[in-house]
Amino acid sequence: GDSVTQMEGPVTLSEEAFLTINCTYTATGYPSLFWYVQYPGEGLQLLLKATKADDKGSNKGFEATYRKETTSFHLEKGSVQVSDSAVYFCAFVSGGSNYKLTFGKGTLLTVNP
Amino acid sequence: DSGVTQTPKHLITATGQRVTLRCSPRSGDLSVYWYQQSLDQGLQFLIQYYNGEERAKGNILERFSAQQFPDLHSELNLSSLELGDSALYFCASSADRGLLETQYFGPGTRLLVL
Repeated sequence: GDSVTQMEGPVTLSEEAFLTINCTYTATGYPSLFWYVQYPGEGLQLLLKATKADDKGSNKGFEATYRKETTSFHLEKGSVQVSDSAVYFCAFVSGGSNYKLTFGKGTLLTVNP
Repeated sequence: DSGVTQTPKHLITATGQRVTLRCSPRSGDLSVYWYQQSLDQGLQFLIQYYNGEERAKGNILERFSAQQFPDLHSELNLSSLELGDSALYFCASSADRGLLETQYFGPGTRLLVL
């Protein structure tokens, strides 16, 4: 069935370090891919998305490329900040009549000054 | 601010009780989705409404039900509550249905069943 496998955390980095959070998916059809971020005590915010193969989503210095051949959508940022500390969720919407989001388990990122 | 509002923010109740969670979608959005976030199950899709009609069901228990009203706000009703229903319940909305639509999430309602 549909699923997302996301790098398990927690991930702890120093400020200005490089970040990669791995995400692979198993989906029916040709999904749209998303990264959502959840800051402490808040709801989910869309971070970036990609809707077709080789598309690169980007926002706030974060990037992820839709890799159909490897069914992956890894999140990267070149230089993290303390304010990036949050839980990051990889997710997709696949085809058919149900446009629900299927989420990974989330990766907790802590950035230390 | 996503434009999606949810009330109440927190809810504490006892086992066996019934509660109603409310969601107002972004202005103009026709689709509403409900999700449950718990430590053991993660984020799980419960149910979707589109323009007043139920469109899809996920892992929603029979004790739970939802509806979307003509003004497009939605309510999620949880009855015969059990300890395991304690979770964060999110509502999301999107303009339409489809692969290209982005779902925008509300701040959630935190339910604690004692």
